[in-house]
Amino acid sequence: GQNIDQPTEMTATEGAIVQINCTYQTSGFNGLFWYQQHAGEAPTFLSYNVLDGLEEKGRFSSFLSRSKGYSYLLLKELQMKDSASYLCAAMDSNYQLIWGAGTKLIIKP
Amino acid sequence: GAVVSQHPSWVICKSGTSVKIECRSLDFQATTMFWYRQFPKQSLMLMATSNEGSKATYEQGVEKDKFLINHASLTLSTLTVTSAHPEDSSFYICSARTGLADTDTQYFGPGTRLTVL
Repeated sequence: GQNIDQPTEMTATEGAIVQINCTYQTSGFNGLFWYQQHAGEAPTFLSYNVLDGLEEKGRFSSFLSRSKGYSYLLLKELQMKDSASYLCAAMDSNYQLIWGAGTKLIIKP
Repeated sequence: GAVVSQHPSWVICKSGTSVKIECRSLDFQATTMFWYRQFPKQSLMLMATSNEGSKATYEQGVEKDKFLINHASLTLSTLTVTSAHPEDSSFYICSARTGLADTDTQYFGPGTRLTVL
């Protein structure tokens, strides 16, 4: 079956760095997406990786290892507004997005 | 760029009535749009894939006669919840794909919170 695993909840301190991991098992693979979702709002796109390696975009970076079925989202210089759920989604061979349950990130001052 | 709007942002209706939700891509043409439902503290659940000019493709377990989808133009898709019941109360979110490639990014509308009394 197809499956996405990510931690349910993480806590970090303002100004620090946090890494949110995601492992996936899909029938085929056409890339991995990360979205941010604030409570009560729709998701917003953060990143897309299809090749191995690290993609940096400002304070946020996303890493992919296809051989390991693994990705992580790295958030630097954490701000209070980064408190949100972070959704990992892998695209399978049918170009369907398989969604993780999301990781709730709590930022403490 | 890549802005998607949804209307209304929230709606309260009586059981048995129908509710229409609009999803628009404001600054791009979207051949494909998606409709999701999200219950509190749960992940997104894909309901259907909407292609302009053709019938929507529904996910298993989603009643196509209850959730009517019309993708009339490259910038507009509508979801009509017919004969709504309290169990249909949820957060409905649409997304639109920016390009023709299946791997193109989906951008989400702000969502519509439906409460059925």
